[in-house]
Amino acid sequence: DAGVTQTPRHEVAEKGQTIILKCEPVSGHNDLFWYRQTKIQGLELLSYFRSKSLMEDGGAFKDRFKAEMLNSSFSTLKIQPTEPKDSAVYLCASSLDSSNTEVFFGKGTRLTVV
Amino acid sequence: GDSVTQTEGQVTVSESKSLIINCTYSATSIAYPNLFWYVRYPGEGLQLLLKVITAGQKGSSRGFEATYNKETTSFHLQKASVQESDSAVYYCALGPNNNNAPRFGAGTKLTVKP
Repeated sequence: DAGVTQTPRHEVAEKGQTIILKCEPVSGHNDLFWYRQTKIQGLELLSYFRSKSLMEDGGAFKDRFKAEMLNSSFSTLKIQPTEPKDSAVYLCASSLDSSNTEVFFGKGTRLTVV
Repeated sequence: GDSVTQTEGQVTVSESKSLIINCTYSATSIAYPNLFWYVRYPGEGLQLLLKVITAGQKGSSRGFEATYNKETTSFHLQKASVQESDSAVYYCALGPNNNNAPRFGAGTKLTVKP
């Protein structure tokens, strides 16, 4: 079975650009998460979807970050406009449901904003 | 809101020595949250190491152990004798619980010296 797939693996953007990161969750999983990973903050929640409905939206990220689930097997994270402080690894993850099940992570997209 | 604290950003241990990585949590959305440890080995994605969903219980995997202590709200990760192959970044996590996404600590980078 395929795990969580994220594309692209690396992205370089100029300040002010719009970028779109993509994610395909594990087939059959109902919950999908986007996180930003940095050395200082660790994993910060950006968005949480259940069956395509938005359950949580990371408060600090609302203005320039927008995640969507186009269907049950595809999600995007748009950053508009990008800023140098957005440079980080963006992780997508999915789980079967919100009970005691583990979360499966993609390998991440490393974003560099210059 | 729910949160997880890992006090050590980096830990260096000599091979065959014992290890403890501290984790404490604060849960406001649920009385007894599910607790997890995830690990990221060099070049790999984040993956589950162990989980405990019942207070007072111990989880174990690959020689690592963690006990769910609700009195001290702690979930420390321990290993009696580390190996070089244990060098990785370890994340303590709370959840998912009910309608909330998992919350992660900042991560602890473990380096095992030969």
